[in-house]
Order: sequence, then structure tokens, then C-alpha cells
Amino acid sequence: QSALTQPASVSASPGQSVTISCSGTSSDIGSYNYVSWYQQLPGKAPKLIIFGVVNRPSGVSDRFSASKSGNTASLTISGLQTEDEGDYYCISFTGDNPRYVFGSGTKVTVL
Amino acid sequence: QVQLVQSGAEVKRTGASVKVSCKASGYTFTSYHVHWVRQAPGQGLEWMGIISPTDGYTNIAQKFQGRVTMTSDTSTTTMYMELSSLTFQDMAVYYCAKDRGTTSAFDVWGQGTRVTVSS
Repeated sequence: QSALTQPASVSASPGQSVTISCSGTSSDIGSYNYVSWYQQLPGKAPKLIIFGVVNRPSGVSDRFSASKSGNTASLTISGLQTEDEGDYYCISFTGDNPRYVFGSGTKVTVL
Repeated sequence: QVQLVQSGAEVKRTGASVKVSCKASGYTFTSYHVHWVRQAPGQGLEWMGIISPTDGYTNIAQKFQGRVTMTSDTSTTTMYMELSSLTFQDMAVYYCAKDRGTTSAFDVWGQGTRVTVSS
């Protein structure tokens, strides 16, 4: 099972929006609504920002939103802020082995 | 508050084993599975496996089968991940992460344990 495919990097100016895609297959993203997204700031542990494809945990800014279409999930960060700079990872349940597969990760840069 | 606190950094020789601990607090230990994830220097996240603290059931990624052992101790609310036959490719930060429950998301993470492998 290969890693889910994410763009290596995205960038935008403060206040703009960026969308990160997470491309999988019919065996993972396409079959299950168990996609979650994580923000990893430099030197820190990952933090859950989206679960169950579209849901935000309590305390996570509503500037983060997500969706899924077919075998691809997407994360959108609107009103980009400098504090959003970091790495973002998707992960999906696969029902196979490995049971979960991460995306390759996307570095978000605020210009 | 809900916390996972991991053991400190380790330096091991190639061929040796390392055992990382992850102590849980602030929630019902037996109610949630725990995952282990690693991150090599400058690389992405890699899922290693999952353990049920209730009965010790594990599901280990095929890549690690035969080398990884995951255990739990309900008396101390601590999980353990042991990786054997270490190579330089095992140098990484190892994280434990609590499963949220119904939606298979990792809602609380440990601070990470750095494992360095030397010759």
C-alpha cells in the first residue's frame, strides 16, 4: 500500500486560501469515510484538525474545512495566517494491511 | 486533561532492540485503542500499528511484522512498543497516539521519542 499522494508544497499570501489534495484509491479514501487531517508545526507532534472527512474537533479554527470526492480528499485553509505555516498530513483507513496509510505530507508556506 | 507521556530519547546500536513507553492519563484507558506512528528525519508520518489496551489485540503493519511488539499494562495505564533488529533506517521519532473512537482519528499524541541508531 503506497502513501496517499499530496502536493509537496503550497503557498499563498496572508488572508488568501489554499487547498491541499490527498489522492488515494478505491481501497482507502474511496471506500471509507475515515479520513483525517493533521497539522504538524516545526518540532512538534501532529495535531488533529479534521476527522471523519469533514469534522473539526472542538477548538480547531473554522478556517479549516475539508471534503471528499471519490478517491480524493481535500483540506482548505481559508484566511491564511502566518501561524498556519507547517506540514499537513492526511490519513485514511484502508481495511487492508497496513490498516491506515498516511499522505506524503504538504508544506504550507505563508508568503 | 488527556495526556500521553512517552519515555525519553534512546541511542541504540544496530541489531539491538528499543522499547518505548507511552503512559496515558485523563481518560478511561481501556476504552480507546492506541496507535504507534514514526517519522524519520525530514520525512513524513508512517503508521506502524494499533493496540487495544483492553485485551492486547494488535494489528501491525506488514512492513514491521516480526520486528515490532506492542503491549499494554492496564495496572499502570502504559503502552509499550518494542522494535528489534534495529538498522539505520529505524532512526526516527516514534509517537503514540490515542484513537478518537468511532471515526478512526488520532486525537491525542504523545510528545514523541527520538531513537538514534549507531554502529
